[in-house]
Amino acid sequence: DAGITQSPRYKITETGRQVTLMCHQTWSHSYMFWYRQDLGHGLRLIYYSAAADITDKGEVPDGYVVSRSKTENFPLTLESATRSQTSVYFCASSDRAGVPDTQYFGPGTRLTVL
Amino acid sequence: DAKTTQPPSMDCAEGRAANLPCNHSTISGNEYVYWYRQIHSQGPQYIIHGLKNNETNEMASLIITEDRKSSTLILPHATLRDTAVYYCIVRGYKLSFGAGTTVTVRA
Repeated sequence: DAGITQSPRYKITETGRQVTLMCHQTWSHSYMFWYRQDLGHGLRLIYYSAAADITDKGEVPDGYVVSRSKTENFPLTLESATRSQTSVYFCASSDRAGVPDTQYFGPGTRLTVL
Repeated sequence: DAKTTQPPSMDCAEGRAANLPCNHSTISGNEYVYWYRQIHSQGPQYIIHGLKNNETNEMASLIITEDRKSSTLILPHATLRDTAVYYCIVRGYKLSFGAGTTVTVRA
């Protein structure tokens, strides 16, 4: 199916482990984004990418690494997971930067770090 | 980006119009008003956006006051599937989600 997908949908890991969350979109959108959603904080931007091999930090980048070797994929890696990174992670994509753009969101990955 | 104020919750009867208010008194001239919604356990879903003029699409209508300090999202015929958290966002560049309005559509 066309659209934006995330995998896994649910993940439980332990403190200190590396974990990678995958995001794939079929629209060939140039821009992709990673957000985390926590109670009391709304959605916060972690990283974004304007094109393949171009990434930049968002509001809360510490502890995360991203890469974008192909336009359609934008994986998010937690190099050494911490309990504070327990959250719901959303990937989004857009065909342009700035307004008026429309970001389309994936279904989310619920990550629990024990 | 300008801050927005929305009521924390509201109820709506199925089949009736739902009118969701949003105040954004500090909006600047180049900032758009966006509405997204998030149904439980799903990703946010784009609804509509506008700058000055009223806008309508297949999902909703957006009414922006002439001074642009407030707006109203109208769901013309609310259904149970419209139960969600609705976010009013005023943005220049960044997309920032606040607390939103929890809308419950009742049969």
